[in-house]
Amino acid sequence: AQSVTQLDSHVSVSEGTPVLLRCNYSSSYSPSLFWYVQHPNKGLQLLLKYTSAATLVKGINGFEAEFKKSETSFHLTKPSAHMSDAAEYFCVVSDRVSGTYKYIFGTGTRLKVLA
Amino acid sequence: DAGVIQSPRHEVTEMGQEVTLRCKPISGHDYLFWYRQTMMRGLELLIYFNNNVPIDDSGMPEDRFSAKMPNASFSTLKIQPSEPRDSAVYFCASRLSSANIQYFGAGTRLSVL
Repeated sequence: AQSVTQLDSHVSVSEGTPVLLRCNYSSSYSPSLFWYVQHPNKGLQLLLKYTSAATLVKGINGFEAEFKKSETSFHLTKPSAHMSDAAEYFCVVSDRVSGTYKYIFGTGTRLKVLA
Repeated sequence: DAGVIQSPRHEVTEMGQEVTLRCKPISGHDYLFWYRQTMMRGLELLIYFNNNVPIDDSGMPEDRFSAKMPNASFSTLKIQPSEPRDSAVYFCASRLSSANIQYFGAGTRLSVL
């Protein structure tokens, strides 16, 4: 069965310092993994997607994530935080089950960026 | 493309009233999803359609909730009668069958008083 765990509900960083948002997953098959960002009062926007190609995935706005099968992790990183990165981030795992895709969303990590 | 369009953006209603939320998917997308987001339960998939046909409605909370997709460019989620515990943000998303990426609308914030 699929599951996804975001290890931190809140993360605070100072502007200009690195960001690390952690995600662990469980999947019976070869999953697709996503990170979405949600700014206040907005919909979810896709940051990046992993689908069994390169294990290091680059996304928008300088974010990237590394798929580590041995650790069942898909952590999101950014070298230098910007104030505009303050938002909620969701890790999502997707498997193809019985011919259709199932999506499981993590509970979200709220990123706060301090000036 | 304008993306997934939801209306209204905000809805305030009284308990017992009927509420209809609307969604226009991205043109050409053949999957449409309805989600509900609350602080307590996070994001929950309510129902999804493929080629206008409901495929999985196991997430619909109860019979008060119904969803339709009369054509490829329009879907509704109806709550009748509404209750205060239905207060949440409701998102619609769409995707192409050939690409496993969902695109989300801006959501409808529903408040039932």
